Amino acid sequence: GAVVSQHPSWVICKSGTSVKIECRSLDFQATTMFWYRQFPKQSLMLMATSNEGSKATYEQGVEKDKFLINHASLTLSTLTVTSAHPEDSSFYICSAGTSGSYEQYFGPGTRLTVT
Amino acid sequence: QKEVEQDPGPLSVPEGAIVSLNCTYSNSAFQYFMWYRQYSRKGPELLMYTYSSGNKEDGRFTAQVDKSSKYISLFIRDSQPSDSATYLCAMGKAAGNKLTFGGGTRVLVKP
Repeated sequence: GAVVSQHPSWVICKSGTSVKIECRSLDFQATTMFWYRQFPKQSLMLMATSNEGSKATYEQGVEKDKFLINHASLTLSTLTVTSAHPEDSSFYICSAGTSGSYEQYFGPGTRLTVT
Repeated sequence: QKEVEQDPGPLSVPEGAIVSLNCTYSNSAFQYFMWYRQYSRKGPELLMYTYSSGNKEDGRFTAQVDKSSKYISLFIRDSQPSDSATYLCAMGKAAGNKLTFGGGTRVLVKP
């Protein structure tokens, strides 16, 4: 299957700072990328959908000014958590797909801890 | 009511047994169906996908879809301790669109 990477895999930051998470499709061109967050023992919660070269579409209740998403190329999307607070601590996972394809491939996730 | 319902488990089976997982859904607009496996603190791994009613087999895994009943299943034959994970069903309405996930079923295969 297709490979998606995320960096960093784990990050600790202080409250009030910003953190950037990268999502890369390594062996295919991802026209669409999705960002999820997952709390312990819970399912995935979709935060936003991003298409290459377009503004991201955020799910209801997700603050677009707090979670900045950029999908500048067909292999890279970034999620920036701005002015992070302890309640933003979570597991953030991206997935990637190509136009006309049903499959979505997930990255390994990034664990964010805000102190 | 959630669009996709999945029993959270845990489902505990002895090694070698058949694991039976299922999801129900309410939205007939869902056209394709996937099963993911997620180990603790890892990203989900795509196991199988299908977009038609019927059975699809891949190794030890068999996926079933019954669109008339809005019911999908995943069977794992000859289960191994390494199959212990959370299994997520997911559904989509069109290619490239977002997926709607079930809550996941935690499976434990005991040696």
